[in-house]
Amino acid sequence: GIQVEQSPPDLILQEGANSTLRCNFSDSVNNLQWFHQNPWGQLINLFYIPSGTKQNGRLSATTVATERYSLLYISSSQTTDSGVYFCAVELGTSYDKVIFGPGTSLSVIP
Amino acid sequence: ETGVTQTPRHLVMGMTNKKSLKCEQHLGHNAMYWYKQSAKKPLELMFVYSLEERVENNSVPSRFSPECPNSSHLFLHLHTLQPEDSALYLCASSPDRVGYNEQFFGPGTRLTVL
Repeated sequence: GIQVEQSPPDLILQEGANSTLRCNFSDSVNNLQWFHQNPWGQLINLFYIPSGTKQNGRLSATTVATERYSLLYISSSQTTDSGVYFCAVELGTSYDKVIFGPGTSLSVIP
Repeated sequence: ETGVTQTPRHLVMGMTNKKSLKCEQHLGHNAMYWYKQSAKKPLELMFVYSLEERVENNSVPSRFSPECPNSSHLFLHLHTLQPEDSALYLCASSPDRVGYNEQFFGPGTRLTVL
């Protein structure tokens, strides 16, 4: 089956620093989402980005579907950015092929 | 606020209890999902409903029983659970439109089985 990998697994940043999180997937995908899970467990939608580039404030994402990866950029990080970042891919039109990556745990320190 | 609510937010139950988790979405979506998130593991898809019909059951033990009475409500009935079932249970919904199926998650129910 498809493999979804995220790197790095853990990341510690000083407030104000920039970072890039990566999601690799081993097969073609129809859809890709990035989520931020806050310390209370809530998954917050960041981007729905099967291909191309999108920006939302300090965050932006790029998916290169032909090369099977997606990048999430966080600029000028803040302590509220701490949490776990997941990518999730959807294959074809089959619901059982919604696969989440293992996540990147981010800690932003003052 | 994502438009998806879950109750209760926390639940502690014994192995012989019966309880139910509730999910409601206010987004007009057609598909609803149950996920399980155990410590140190990726989210696992448990059940999917599209227009109130179950379309996927990922080999989930029968002690978990879903119910979708309409496209806005989803329940997960629990009975005779095991301690290893302790986890965060997340509900999600999506438009279920061809070419667009972005998922939106509720806040989750943190379940502890004693």
